[in-house]
Amino acid sequence: QLQLQESGPGLVKPSETLSLTCTVSGGSITSSSFYWGWIRQPPGKGLEWIGTIYYTGTTSYNPSLKSRVSISVDTSQNQFSLRQRSVTAADTAVYYCARHNWNHFTIDYWGQGTLVTVSS
Amino acid sequence: QSALTQPASVSGSPGQSITISCTGTSSDVGNYNLVSWYQHLPGKAPKLMIYEVTKRPSGVSNRFSGSKSGNTASLTISGLQAEDEADYYCCSYEGRSTLIFGGGTKVTVL
Repeated sequence: QLQLQESGPGLVKPSETLSLTCTVSGGSITSSSFYWGWIRQPPGKGLEWIGTIYYTGTTSYNPSLKSRVSISVDTSQNQFSLRQRSVTAADTAVYYCARHNWNHFTIDYWGQGTLVTVSS
Repeated sequence: QSALTQPASVSGSPGQSITISCTGTSSDVGNYNLVSWYQHLPGKAPKLMIYEVTKRPSGVSNRFSGSKSGNTASLTISGLQAEDEADYYCCSYEGRSTLIFGGGTKVTVL
């Protein structure tokens, strides 16, 4: 059974960089047709798609976040990571890592999510 | 990138049918038959309920069905049950390997 687990600091200071890692178990991050990405949910708000990466390093980003976000992959560790620069309180959210099935353009496996709070 | 438009809330009595709409544009919902729906319970990971507008993943009840007309997709829950109470999100492909979510709809079973 495929599992995804987010890890990283739960508290980040304003203007600093948010860094999260997703560890994939029960399957290989190099499987074809699957992209790996991030989605977030600010408190009391809806889901927001952040972006994806393929194991070769090809990325796609939400245009509204593209200037501050980067996603990278480490195939040797079966992990992928999110970096978001210059964070503000508006970036406080539960961050989910997820597998994207690009055969059907769906998100078929999700991590449990991790709350990141931006505060001094 | 503006979120797809969903009603904030929809409610119904047990056994009734409800429909949640998801309105986008000709660049997303109207341009691709790639709308999916997710059920989100508090503290849980979202669950895929419908993909490619009308298809149900294995294990999802046939009480859930999807459709699309023009720039608006819809999710219908038939025979509403207490366990269906959750937030529901639509999601559409919008080209260039990007996705866009709706704002979410809270379903209440009266």
